[in-house]
Amino acid sequence: DIQMTQSPSSLSASVGDRVTITCRASQTIRTYLNWYQQKPGKAPKLLIYAASTLQSGVPSRFSGSGSGTDFTLTISSLQREDFATYSCQQSYIAPPTFGQGTKVVFK
Amino acid sequence: QVQLVQSGAEVKKPGASVKVSCKASGYTFTYFYLHWVRQAPGQGLEWMGWINPNSGDTDYAQNFQGRVTMTRDMSISTAYVEVSRLRSDDTAVYYCARDIMQWQLRREFDYWGQGTLVTVSS
Repeated sequence: DIQMTQSPSSLSASVGDRVTITCRASQTIRTYLNWYQQKPGKAPKLLIYAASTLQSGVPSRFSGSGSGTDFTLTISSLQREDFATYSCQQSYIAPPTFGQGTKVVFK
Repeated sequence: QVQLVQSGAEVKKPGASVKVSCKASGYTFTYFYLHWVRQAPGQGLEWMGWINPNSGDTDYAQNFQGRVTMTRDMSISTAYVEVSRLRSDDTAVYYCARDIMQWQLRREFDYWGQGTLVTVSS
């Protein structure tokens, strides 16, 4: 199975900060990389698919980049509602696998 | 609007089985693959498998082979996952999730159920 490793596992930030989360795959996954946001007690929400395509309805302050093995999720200006856990997921080779998550907390 | 509504929380003893349902609405049930993903307390997401609601074809993650069965009832637009021989480490929130593209297996999940907590305890 492809292993997905996220860093950092948690970060503290303030409203208005630029936040970057990285995700590394154990082998190339081309651009088959997706990002999800999850709030406590809620289901994950798809933010970005195919590494950089914003899901409908997701604010433009979210962006994704990367290809091959290294990927980045960026929040350009953190808003209060963005404090959550973010997970990457590869959809290149079955089984689909997820990173362990990055928790964004209030500084 | 697309909705996936799951059945309620369950408490089971080790060795028992549990069956969780996922009722779809707001789209044509048979057009999109449905996946099951679980999340143990404080842990990451773990994919369990998929079902093609049109054909009934399934594919399960190796970790669950022989213990998981995914089925569907097209007449009520509902999918099911049954986990047998439950262990304490099966305690988790179980989610159904829809694949993003109709007729294709993309393994990108655009709509999720609200989750069903299954607790396995003696």
